[in-house]
Amino acid sequence: DGGITQSPKYLFRKEGQNVTLSCEQNLNHDAMYWYRQDPGQGLRLIYYSQIVNDFQKGDIAEGYSVSREKKESFPLTVTSAQKNPTAFYLCASSIFPDTWLTDTQYFGPGTRLTVL
Amino acid sequence: SQQGEEDPQALSIQEGENATMNCSYKTSINNLQWYRQNSGRGLVHLILIRSNEREKHSGRLRVTLDTSKKSSSLLITASRAADTASYFCATVSLNSGGSNYKLTFGKGTLLTVNP
Repeated sequence: DGGITQSPKYLFRKEGQNVTLSCEQNLNHDAMYWYRQDPGQGLRLIYYSQIVNDFQKGDIAEGYSVSREKKESFPLTVTSAQKNPTAFYLCASSIFPDTWLTDTQYFGPGTRLTVL
Repeated sequence: SQQGEEDPQALSIQEGENATMNCSYKTSINNLQWYRQNSGRGLVHLILIRSNEREKHSGRLRVTLDTSKKSSSLLITASRAADTASYFCATVSLNSGGSNYKLTFGKGTLLTVNP
């Protein structure tokens, strides 16, 4: 069953803690993305990666960090520096190299993070 | 500010009726995409229309693009209760530095189809 998986589905964090959200894909896509969605809002880009061992900041990267050690995996760490981390986080991927950011993105089911 | 903005914010119709959602944007685009999101789930790509195309069809979906008016519309014909979801337009355009493309999502239209 091909696709993108995210875990956990729900995550609760105490203030001051770092948490890591998992994103795995078996679509053989080169490009991967992390978005944040707040209620009634569109998606905002946090980080993206075009290729293994490389990633770029999106529009709202402050307080977040990522790594891309494997093609299949693009974990997102929400650090204690992120002032308002409660949100729905979506991971996506798309085919690279010629059409990244212009082509269809395939989304995971999302992780809902709540800060207690 | 948002590149793509959907209108209306919410739409409620009866099963069997057609649903039309609109998207307006500000800058030149490479393409425009429509996505669907069921409550609490990820987004699913519906259709992509390129800047040199005016209309595209996929099943019960019809998308139009008017680059002179910087607007697009998504028509769902013969709607079903299962079409209840949020619908987002996403525009692909060059970033402010002109060095890379950027995909920007609107805030979405919440469609409710009543049985």
